[in-house]
Amino acid sequence: GAVVSQHPSRVICKSGTSVKIECRSLDFQATTMFWYRQFPKQSLMLMATSNEGSKATYEQGVEKDKFLINHASLTLSTLTVTSAHPEDSSFYICSASYLVGKAEAFFGQGTRLTVV
Amino acid sequence: TQLLEQSPQFLSIQEGENLTVYCNSSSVFSSLQWYRQEPGEGPVLLVTVVTGGEVKKLKRLTFQFGDARKDSSLHITAAQPGDTGLYLCAEVNAGNNRKLIWGLGTSLAVNP
Repeated sequence: GAVVSQHPSRVICKSGTSVKIECRSLDFQATTMFWYRQFPKQSLMLMATSNEGSKATYEQGVEKDKFLINHASLTLSTLTVTSAHPEDSSFYICSASYLVGKAEAFFGQGTRLTVV
Repeated sequence: TQLLEQSPQFLSIQEGENLTVYCNSSSVFSSLQWYRQEPGEGPVLLVTVVTGGEVKKLKRLTFQFGDARKDSSLHITAAQPGDTGLYLCAEVNAGNNRKLIWGLGTSLAVNP
């Protein structure tokens, strides 16, 4: 299957600083990627849909100025958590899928963000 | 985010026991996927079911899709500690960038 790489896998940052998370599709082009947030033992909560070359589409209740998404190329999307606070601590996961053919979502390894 | 009904939410069983996880929707699924996620990692696709009444097997895992395509189940036979993880069902929204609509998840713990 296709590979999606997410970096970093873990990050600890101070309150008030910004953190950037990268999501790369290694062996296929992904015009669309998805960013999720997940709490322990709970399902994935979609934050936004990242579209290559255009603005991301955010889900209701997700602050677009807080969670900046950039999808500058067909293989890279980034999520920047700006002015992070302890309540932003969570597990963030990206995914991408083929636009045609098999509708399987390929996920990154996830990023554990801890804001202290 | 719209979520599918999934039950049970938590399940703790002994090694060797059988279990079933259910996924339901009030509307007809276009297609349904089951994922398994281990702690600290992203979900991995187990199976996709498309046709009403379909049954798929993956070793000790049996997946069923309801005749009316409104429900699905995952049955694990003789569970092992390695089956521990979060099981998620998801519907593919074929008309919206392949956006997935997720179930609430079932956290399974298999004790040795």
